[in-house]
Amino acid sequence: DAGITQSPRYKITETGRQVTLMCHQTWSHSYMFWYRQDLGHGLRLIYYSAAADITDKGEVPDGYVVSRSKTENFPLTLESATRSQTSVYFCASRGDRGTGANVLTFGAGSRLTVL
Amino acid sequence: GQQVMQIPQYQHVQEGEDFTTYCNSSTTLSNIQWYKQRPGGHPVFLIQLVKSGEVKKQKRLTFQFGEAKKNSSLHITATQTTDVGTYFCAGPGGGSNYKLTFGKGTLLTVNP
Repeated sequence: DAGITQSPRYKITETGRQVTLMCHQTWSHSYMFWYRQDLGHGLRLIYYSAAADITDKGEVPDGYVVSRSKTENFPLTLESATRSQTSVYFCASRGDRGTGANVLTFGAGSRLTVL
Repeated sequence: GQQVMQIPQYQHVQEGEDFTTYCNSSTTLSNIQWYKQRPGGHPVFLIQLVKSGEVKKQKRLTFQFGEAKKNSSLHITATQTTDVGTYFCAGPGGGSNYKLTFGKGTLLTVNP
């Protein structure tokens, strides 16, 4: 199906474990983003990517790693999860040109709990 | 860095009452976008404003972009229970036109 999909939708892990959240989009959008959403903080940008093999830090990158070997995938890895990384994570992509060029389309989100 | 501030943080209304949320940026914006997130859902794009003083309407929703392009508002006339959710404004920032900085959102609840 076309669109942007995230997996897993729900994940419970323990402190210190590595976790990877997957994001896949079918539009061949160049730009992709990872946000985290926490009560009282709104949406905060973790990492973003302008194209395959081009990534950059956002507002809250510490403790996260990203890669973008293929245009359609943008996985987010927590190398050693901490309780403060308990959050809802949203992946988003945006079009490259035309009327939709600035608009973000979000995935359904991944709810991560770190015990 | 750029900050986008949104007020109020919460708003509870009776069905049929009007609702307004305000967004202020610390810097001039080339455009501003509004998103809605239903409870348990993901943010969904509503509208983008580009021109100074621009006003756009979507049924009962009216969006305005300030003359100085540093503030914006979303007004809902005669709220309905389907309007429940968090409304976010967002503007490009951080030295890049393709990164969006979001306000913290206004959570609207509607009492039927």
